[in-house]
Amino acid sequence: EIVMTQSPATLSVSPGERATLSCRASQSVGSNLAWYQQKPGQAPSLLIYGASTRATGIPARFSGSGSGTEFTLTISSLQTEDFAVYYCQQCDNWPVTFGQGTRLEIK
Amino acid sequence: EVQLLESGGGLVQPGGSLRLSCAASGFTFSNYAMGWVRQAPGKGLEWVSIISGGGSSTDYADSVKGRFAISRDNSKNTLYLQMNSLRAEDTAVYYCATRVSSYAGSFKYWGQGTLVTVSA
Repeated sequence: EIVMTQSPATLSVSPGERATLSCRASQSVGSNLAWYQQKPGQAPSLLIYGASTRATGIPARFSGSGSGTEFTLTISSLQTEDFAVYYCQQCDNWPVTFGQGTRLEIK
Repeated sequence: EVQLLESGGGLVQPGGSLRLSCAASGFTFSNYAMGWVRQAPGKGLEWVSIISGGGSSTDYADSVKGRFAISRDNSKNTLYLQMNSLRAEDTAVYYCATRVSSYAGSFKYWGQGTLVTVSA
């Protein structure tokens, strides 16, 4: 099973600033990496797939990069609605696995 | 508009059974693999099971293998998860989700979730 490790566990950033979230896979997953956003009491929603492609309707301030074992989600100019928990998921091998999440909080 | 609506959650005693349903609308249900993902209270996401569009292929997480069974009825646009021999550690919100191969196998659409509580 591929282990996904996200860092940091919690990130405190002020609105308008940039946030950088990291995700590492225990072995290569190519570009088969997705990012999800989850707000309190809601289901996760897909942000990024294929490591760098934004899902339909996702604002351009969200960008994904990386391949192999190292991935990054960058949110430029944070809006108040962006404060949430973010999960990465490898879709390369079964079982698909998720990272433990990064909580993005208002500084 | 795509909608996934889970139902069937509730309180069940250890060793008991429960069947979850997920009613889908707004897309051609039989064209897509469907999965179940769960989230224990205050915890992260855990994939549980997946079924192919036609229903002939299934897979399970080791933690539920032999106890849970996924199925679908494409004539009713409905996904199911039969959960037997339930344990306290199965307590979680269970989400159904649509796996889209053209989205690199990610889960594009999610339901709102249904809570399963296993407790005496």
